[in-house]
Amino acid sequence: EVQLVESGGGLVQPGGSLRLSCAASGFTFSSYWMSWVRQAPGRGLEWVANIKQDGSKKYFVDSVKGRFTISRDNAKNSLYLQMNSLRAEDTAIYYCARDLNMGDFYGYWGRGTLVTVSS
Amino acid sequence: EIVMTQSPATLSVSPGERATLSCRASQSVTSKLAWYQQKPGQAPRLLIYGASTRATGIPARFSGSGSGTEFTLTISSLQSEDFAVYYCQQYNNGPWTFGRGAKVEIK
Repeated sequence: EVQLVESGGGLVQPGGSLRLSCAASGFTFSSYWMSWVRQAPGRGLEWVANIKQDGSKKYFVDSVKGRFTISRDNAKNSLYLQMNSLRAEDTAIYYCARDLNMGDFYGYWGRGTLVTVSS
Repeated sequence: EIVMTQSPATLSVSPGERATLSCRASQSVTSKLAWYQQKPGQAPRLLIYGASTRATGIPARFSGSGSGTEFTLTISSLQSEDFAVYYCQQYNNGPWTFGRGAKVEIK
């Protein structure tokens, strides 16, 4: 069974940093692109970033470029999101998501981790 | 960036009735359109991909249609567990974008 478990969320002040992790199990992690998708409280979904199987390609939504980095450790079956220079508008539940190797849509999601940026 | 517009924002339907949700893309996304269902406190659940292919385990009462810029999700006979928020997502051109969601509520 595919499982994605996020961790690392919490309360952080504006301008601060946070590192999210996603522990994957139940599939061959190194065979899939992995993504982060976020959802602000009471709002819709926003794709944030994704990373290729070997980490050689990474893409970001414009609003986080230069502030967020995405990485993975295939030996540890883990995905990461390093978030710097955090803003109030980054407040959201952050989901780790995996596609089905048929396109950039998401067949598997974690339960999410809440990031709150507030002073 | 491709903008996805969903309508209506809220749909009030009685159990057993049909629900039809629309999603329009600001430019063609060919058939690279997915639909998700989300219930309160839960992660989204994939329903449809490729505009019309049901994901594994999704009941046949869910169907998707359309291509280019106009798409429809139809729930043929609403069950109690179908009352939720539905999102469309295009994956034809990055960044991948979602609609703002459509809430299906009990009438």
